[in-house]
Amino acid sequence: EIVLTQSPATLSLSPGERATLSCRASQSVSSYLAWYQQKPGQAPRLLIYDGSNRATGIPARFSGSGSGTDFTLTISSLEPDDFAVYYCQQRSNSPGTFGQGTQLEIK
Amino acid sequence: QVQLQESGPGLVKPSETLSLTCNVSGYSISTDFYWGWIRQPPGKGLEWIASIYSSGSTNYNPSLRSRVTISIDTSKNQFSLKLTSVTAADTAMFYCARTRSSVGYFDLWGRGTLVTVSS
Repeated sequence: EIVLTQSPATLSLSPGERATLSCRASQSVSSYLAWYQQKPGQAPRLLIYDGSNRATGIPARFSGSGSGTDFTLTISSLEPDDFAVYYCQQRSNSPGTFGQGTQLEIK
Repeated sequence: QVQLQESGPGLVKPSETLSLTCNVSGYSISTDFYWGWIRQPPGKGLEWIASIYSSGSTNYNPSLRSRVTISIDTSKNQFSLKLTSVTAADTAMFYCARTRSSVGYFDLWGRGTLVTVSS
């Protein structure tokens, strides 16, 4: 199965700053990668699919890039509501797999 | 508005079978989409378990395949999960969710139900 490795494990930033989260795949997933946001006590929410497409209702400050094995989720200017755990997921090969997550915390 | 709601026992004894149901409202599951189960152990990451289409076509995570059965009941607009021979390692939040393919992204999720395996 494809292993997704996210970095950093924890990212400490302040509101208004730019956040850059990374997801690296153990083999190419083409552009078949998604990003999710999960807040405590809530289900994950789909943010980005197929590498760079925002899901319905997702603000423009969230953007995704990359293809092959290296992907990035960028939050251009952090708002207080953005501090959460972020997961990447690939659907290139079965089983679909998730990364271990990046905790975005307030500095 | 489409909503998913998980239901089932919150406590299961070791070696027994975990059974969960996901009720879908606001959309007929026989129309389209795959429907799946994902779990998340406390404080840990996400693991896809299985997905099913209205036709009954299924896809399973090989790591759980020998213990898992996913099924669908279009007349009740719900789908279900059975996980046999559970151990403490199966303690997790279980989510049902909607996806567009047998290996897909999940664009709509239930709130999740916590299942604890303990005697």
